[in-house]
Amino acid sequence: GNSVTQMEGPVTLSEEAFLTINCTYTATGYPSLFWYVQYPGEGLQLLLKATKADDKGSNKGFEATYRKETTSFHLEKGSVQVSDSAVYFCALRDDSWGKLQFGAGTQVVVTP
Amino acid sequence: DTAVSQTPKYLVTQMGNDKSIKCEQNLGHDTMYWYKQDSKKFLKIMFSYNNKELIINETVPNRFSPKSPDKAHLNLHINSLELGDSAVYFCASSRAGSGANVLTFGAGSRLTVL
Repeated sequence: GNSVTQMEGPVTLSEEAFLTINCTYTATGYPSLFWYVQYPGEGLQLLLKATKADDKGSNKGFEATYRKETTSFHLEKGSVQVSDSAVYFCALRDDSWGKLQFGAGTQVVVTP
Repeated sequence: DTAVSQTPKYLVTQMGNDKSIKCEQNLGHDTMYWYKQDSKKFLKIMFSYNNKELIINETVPNRFSPKSPDKAHLNLHINSLELGDSAVYFCASSRAGSGANVLTFGAGSRLTVL
């Protein structure tokens, strides 16, 4: 079946450091791919998405490119802030009803 | 105005009890979901309704019963609670079809079974 694999956390960074969170997927066909973010004590929020190969999603300084050849959707940000501390989830949508398959989540901790 | 609201936010109860969590969305979405997040933050879909009709029903014990009185509400009732039911339960909603790409989540309901 379909699955999403993310790098394990926690990832601890200093402010202004470069962030990469790896995400790879296994799916039949061409799923839509997403990054959701969960801030402490809150629900998940969509961060960015890509619906076809070579699409780049971007939002709030974060970027991810849908790479079909490597089945990857790695999340990057050039300069993180303390406010980026959260849990980041990679996800794919494998049907028309919005059933999202989530990765295990990666906690990111940014220190001043 | 909260787009997807869940009540209660916290729920502490004893094993064997029955409890409900309510969810309402004011986004005009047709599809609503329940997800369970365990202590390791792993998220798994439980149910989904489209316009009051059940469309996703994952392998969930039949002690869990969703109910959708209208397309703006999706409640979750849990019978005979067990320790393993302790988790954060998230409600979410989306448009149907291609709009189901984007889910809007509630803030979660943390259930603790003692």
